[in-house]
This record gives sequence, structure tokens and C-alpha cells, in this order.
Amino acid sequence: SAVISQKPSRDICQRGTSLTIQCQVDSQVTMMFWYRQQPGQSLTLIATANQGSEATYESGFVIDKFPISRPNLTFSTLTVSNMSPEDSSIYLCSVTDRASTDTQYFGPGTRLTVL
Amino acid sequence: SQQGEEDPQALSIQEGENATMNCSYKTSINNLQWYRQNSGRGLVHLILIRSNEREKHSGRLRVTLDTSKKSSSLLITASRAADTASYFCATKTIQAGTALIFGKGTTLSVSS
Repeated sequence: SAVISQKPSRDICQRGTSLTIQCQVDSQVTMMFWYRQQPGQSLTLIATANQGSEATYESGFVIDKFPISRPNLTFSTLTVSNMSPEDSSIYLCSVTDRASTDTQYFGPGTRLTVL
Repeated sequence: SQQGEEDPQALSIQEGENATMNCSYKTSINNLQWYRQNSGRGLVHLILIRSNEREKHSGRLRVTLDTSKKSSSLLITASRAADTASYFCATKTIQAGTALIFGKGTTLSVSS
């Protein structure tokens, strides 16, 4: 299975600022996804990060607020822009590897607190 | 939008007892997966069951799937304190390339 790392693991930010979260995978993967988990809640899909093209966003999420990059098959970034306290969440990167396009593996998450 | 609904929302048992969690979903699926999350950390993949399967086992885990009722159950046998975590079911729809849609989760507490 793919091994996924995320940076930073946690951060405390001031409202109005932006934070970029990095996701690195130890092998080439077909699909990469970004999820948000608000306090005490389940996971909600933000977008699918497409290699070499614009990300595909889910309803309720827009590129201006959550710009995503995916320059290659092992790396992606999610930026949380113009943050407000409502953006305080855990942000998780997830991938499906080439061997199986069904099982999704998750990174350890980035715990973001916005003051 | 959320596809799955787990019940119960919270479950407290003693070590050695079995824990059963249920998941219901709304639309047709390709597969259903169960995950564990310890205290706000990353998710650990437990087991995947495909739409044409009815039951799967992995160690102390047993998963069933009833596509006619759009429901699944996760049974953890002989539970341990280390099983204390949140458990989520997630479905993959029949549309190609879509990501998983998660249920609300069940919080399991196993006391020794």
C-alpha cells in the first residue's frame, strides 16, 4: 500500500491568512483526493487532484478558496485561502494506487486551527 | 453529500465482548469500505467488500453486505481496549473515478 506523508501535521493560523498543505506519496498513484473533517464530524470530499489539469471540486467548494496543485503522480498541495475560524478542521490527503483503484489510503492529516 | 449512515453513533462495551456497527447507504455502489480513525488522526483502511460479495473476514473483523437493503455491518469479535476508535463506512459509487463518500461514523469505546 502507498505511504503518504503530509506537511505540516498541525498549524495555528490567524484569520485572513493562507496555508498550503503538502501531500507526498512514496509511489506513483492514479488518483489523489483532498478531504476535510470538521471537529466531531465525518469526512467531506473537497476535490479530486488531477495530474496536469485543474482539480475537480465538489459542490460547496471552489478553486479560489481551496486552490490545488498536482504537478506529478506523487505530490499535491492544497491551499486554504483567506482563512476564517470555520476553516478549522483536519485536512486529509487520500490516494488510490496503481495496483488497486478501489482501496483508498489516507495520510495522517493536517490539523488546522484558525484564530 | 453523505452517502452512509452508521448506527449506533456511539457504542461502549467491555473487553472481550463483540461490537457490531451498521451502515446504510442510498445509491448503488461498486464497493463499500470500512475505516478506523484513532483520536483525530489519519484513517486506517480495514476492509473492502465489493457489491457482488456478501461477507468478508479479516482477522477479528467480519463484514457483511446486503445490497437489497443497501446496508452493511462490521463485527469486531473479542474486542480489545486498542479497538477504541471511530469507525467509518465509505461507499464508492458505480461511477468511474469517483472518490469515497463517508458516513457519519460510530465511536467505539472498549473498556478493560
